[in-house]
Amino acid sequence: AQSVAQPEDQVNVAEGNPLTVKCTYSVSGNPYLFWYVQYPNRGLQFLLKYITGDNLVKGSYGFEAEFNKSQTSFHLKKPSALVSDSALYFCAVRARTGYSTLTFGKGTMLLVSP
Amino acid sequence: DSGVTQTPKHLITATGQRVTLRCSPRSGDLSVYWYQQSLDQGLQFLIQYYNGEERAKGNILERFSAQQFPDLHSELNLSSLELGDSALYFCASSSDRGGETQYFGPGTRLLVL
Repeated sequence: AQSVAQPEDQVNVAEGNPLTVKCTYSVSGNPYLFWYVQYPNRGLQFLLKYITGDNLVKGSYGFEAEFNKSQTSFHLKKPSALVSDSALYFCAVRARTGYSTLTFGKGTMLLVSP
Repeated sequence: DSGVTQTPKHLITATGQRVTLRCSPRSGDLSVYWYQQSLDQGLQFLIQYYNGEERAKGNILERFSAQQFPDLHSELNLSSLELGDSALYFCASSSDRGGETQYFGPGTRLLVL
């Protein structure tokens, strides 16, 4: 079975500082990995995904994520946080082999203070 | 705007009742997914349809059912509703080719009183 762990329920960072939201996964074989963001009373918005190739993936709104196979991690990063980045962030994984559905982590609330 | 539409936006009903949630996928997407989001369970996958046929089933209760119609829109039917069914219900769609992205609708907020 595949799973995703987001070890932090909440991450607090000051505006202008770098941010990291952690994600580790467990899946059979190589994964597809995704990050989504959810603003209050909205649906999930796609941020970025890792399919293959460069381990550093760049996505929307200046976010990036680094795929680390040995550590089975896919941490979300941004060099300089904005107050408007405050939202709920979800990491998700899907196995490449056979057919599998997308499994989401429990989410991490990011709070960026002015 | 993801291109996925869901109706209604809000739904308030009583225990024991039945409701239907509707989803229209993005143009060209053949797969529709249903998810339930609640505070205690997080985001749970319920069921997937691909081009009218059920493809995968997750944590969907027997009281719940879904279908996808020839025009590719989908409906999620929730019956014999209980207080614990109160949640946000999301629909997502994708082209379903390997590492494709699922695009989510704005959700339907269901409150069972």
